[in-house]
Amino acid sequence: AQKITQTQPGMFVQEKEAVTLDCTYDTSDQSYGLFWYKQPSSGEMIFLIYQGSYDEQNATEGRYSLNFQKARKSANLVISASQLGDSAMYFCAMRGRGGYNKLIFGAGTRLAVHP
Amino acid sequence: NAGVMQNPRHLVRRRGQEARLRCSPMKGHSHVYWYRQLPEEGLKFMVYLQKENIIDESGMPKERFSAEFPKEGPSILRIQQVVRGDSAAYFCASSPPGSNSGNTIYFGEGSWLTVV
Repeated sequence: AQKITQTQPGMFVQEKEAVTLDCTYDTSDQSYGLFWYKQPSSGEMIFLIYQGSYDEQNATEGRYSLNFQKARKSANLVISASQLGDSAMYFCAMRGRGGYNKLIFGAGTRLAVHP
Repeated sequence: NAGVMQNPRHLVRRRGQEARLRCSPMKGHSHVYWYRQLPEEGLKFMVYLQKENIIDESGMPKERFSAEFPKEGPSILRIQQVVRGDSAAYFCASSPPGSNSGNTIYFGEGSWLTVV
């Protein structure tokens, strides 16, 4: 069965420092996609970054980068130069078999950025 | 280009009433997904619809829940005889046809259902 595991219920980081949020996944598929979303207290789901299983380069989007280690089945999110506005819940998700956008989400990590 | 539109944003229902949540996909998108987020949890897939067809409803509770995406108009998630355990955020997402790679899923802002 496909599964996403986020082992850090809560993390905190000092403003302007970098932070890594962990995500491991389990799948027997060869083709899959990995996503990270941010959910602030207002509740909406904000897409951050995407990594395809065949992408050779790690994905980057501004201050966000995805540390993709396929053999270890991990897809950690790195946020550089943290800002107070980064305080939120962060979810890792995987698109698996079926060829459509049926995403499997992890339980999330709550990040608090301290001044 | 408007995003995925959900309404209402917040809905309060008494136990036993019906809840109807609406979702208008992005322009050009013919695929709609519904996800549910219980408090302090991640989103869980409920159902995947194309126009007038339910493609995958493997995440839908067997009773009281139904979804449709008619030829005209928004997709509707309907919950009959609501119970307190139905209190959750319900997210709709849409995708264009033929989307099976890259980031091709777009979420609405969610509808928060509270059952009192």
